Amino acid sequence: GQQLNQSPQSMFIQEGEDVSMNCTSSSIFNTWLWYKQDPGEGPVLLIALYKAGELTSNGRLTAQFGITRKDSFLNISASIPSDVGIYFCAGQLRGSQGNLIFGKGTKLSVKP
Amino acid sequence: EADIYQTPRYLVIGTGKKITLECSQTMGHDKMYWYQQDPGMELHLIHYSYGVNSTEKGDLSSESTVSRIRTEHFPLTLESARPSHTSQYLCASSEYPPRGTDTQYFGPGTRLTVL
Repeated sequence: GQQLNQSPQSMFIQEGEDVSMNCTSSSIFNTWLWYKQDPGEGPVLLIALYKAGELTSNGRLTAQFGITRKDSFLNISASIPSDVGIYFCAGQLRGSQGNLIFGKGTKLSVKP
Repeated sequence: EADIYQTPRYLVIGTGKKITLECSQTMGHDKMYWYQQDPGMELHLIHYSYGVNSTEKGDLSSESTVSRIRTEHFPLTLESARPSHTSQYLCASSEYPPRGTDTQYFGPGTRLTVL
C-alpha cells in the first residue's frame, strides 16, 4: 500500500532549540495533517494543510504543504518541555476519498 | 476541540472474557474509525464506518468486530480476549463525504491489558 516516510524517527534536543521534521511520499496528496500524541492519550490535530505551497502557523508551530504535493514539514521554534511527545503526519491521496495514510511518527524528547 | 469520547480509559481483563470498547462523538460526523496502537508505535487502522449500518475492515486484520447502529456510537467488541489483544485502541471520526479533507479527530483511547 501507499506509505509516508516520516523522519527523523526520534529527536533529542535541548530546551530552546528549534525542531524540524518532515514527511515524504512518492504519491501526490491533496491534504496534509500534523498530529501530536502525548503518552497514554489520543493524537491531537495541530495543523491542517489543504493547498500546495500553503504555510500555516499555530503558535510556535509552522507547517508547509510542499509544492510538489509529495511532502510536508513541521517546524517547532524555541522548544519547551511540554513539546515532548510523538508527532504524526497524515495525508489524503489526491483524487481519493479514502482513509488517511499515517507516517510512523517522530518521537521528540526535550532536555530542560 | 474534538468531542469524541471513549470508555473505559483503562481495562485489565482475563483471557477469554468478552469486552466492548465504547466510542461516542457529538460532532455529527458520519465516518468513524478504530485504530490499534502499541505504545510509541504507528497507528494501524482496524475498522471504519461510513455511516449507520456500514462497517469496513481496515488495513490491519483484527479479531474484533464493530457495529454502527447510531451515527454517534461506534463500539468495538472482542468476543474472547487474548494477551495478544493487549494494546491501545483509538477511536476517531471525520465528516463524510469529506468537505475537501478527511480530517480525523481522535478520542483519548482505551488502554487494554489482557492477562
